[in-house]
Amino acid sequence: DAGVIQSPRHEVTEMGQEVTLRCKPISGHDYLFWYRQTMMRGLELLIYFNNNVPIDDSGMPEDRFSAKMPNASFSTLKIQPSEPRDSAVYFCASSFFRSGANVLTFGAGSRLTVL
Amino acid sequence: DAKTTQPTSMDCAEGRAANLPCNHSTISGNEYVYWYRQIHSQGPQYIIHGLKNNETNEMASLIITEDRKSSTLILPHATLRDTAVYYCIATNAGGTSYGKLTFGQGTILTVHP
Repeated sequence: DAGVIQSPRHEVTEMGQEVTLRCKPISGHDYLFWYRQTMMRGLELLIYFNNNVPIDDSGMPEDRFSAKMPNASFSTLKIQPSEPRDSAVYFCASSFFRSGANVLTFGAGSRLTVL
Repeated sequence: DAKTTQPTSMDCAEGRAANLPCNHSTISGNEYVYWYRQIHSQGPQYIIHGLKNNETNEMASLIITEDRKSSTLILPHATLRDTAVYYCIATNAGGTSYGKLTFGQGTILTVHP
């Protein structure tokens, strides 16, 4: 298995531009998570899906952020318009539920720089 | 999630056992202890988890005290590739808490030659 695949690996954009990050979870996994990592705030959960349905988006910082999962093999995180404070590494992770086990597999991350 | 406390950093010699402590004194009966690690510039990687009993897998061992207020992750023969940030997380699996791993600052483990 190729693991969780994220694209792009690096993105540099200017303030005000739209940014779309993409994630392909592991086949058979029914949970998908988006995390953000910064030096100041560490790793933060933004949103997660179960069977393509958003379950908890309380971590999404504001309306500029949106996430979709149109099918079991693809998810996007969109920022519109982007701001310099959105600069971070965005991780996607997937898992399947096993009683008592939060075993998430993370992707390599998308490093976003907003100038 | 129960709050966890870990040392900021630790050193270990290559080939020796690395013992990483974690305090979770407010852990509740249905909360598991998880360990993840993050090697520089990579996504976090699951290591091991446990509830009450000690656990061992191909990567590490997890020792949980009888009162469950603390635990120790043991890497039996540390290598340079084990240099990473190690996160201890106490969380209730299932229900609305599923997947809500709250990552603290973790312990920076540096393995020296």
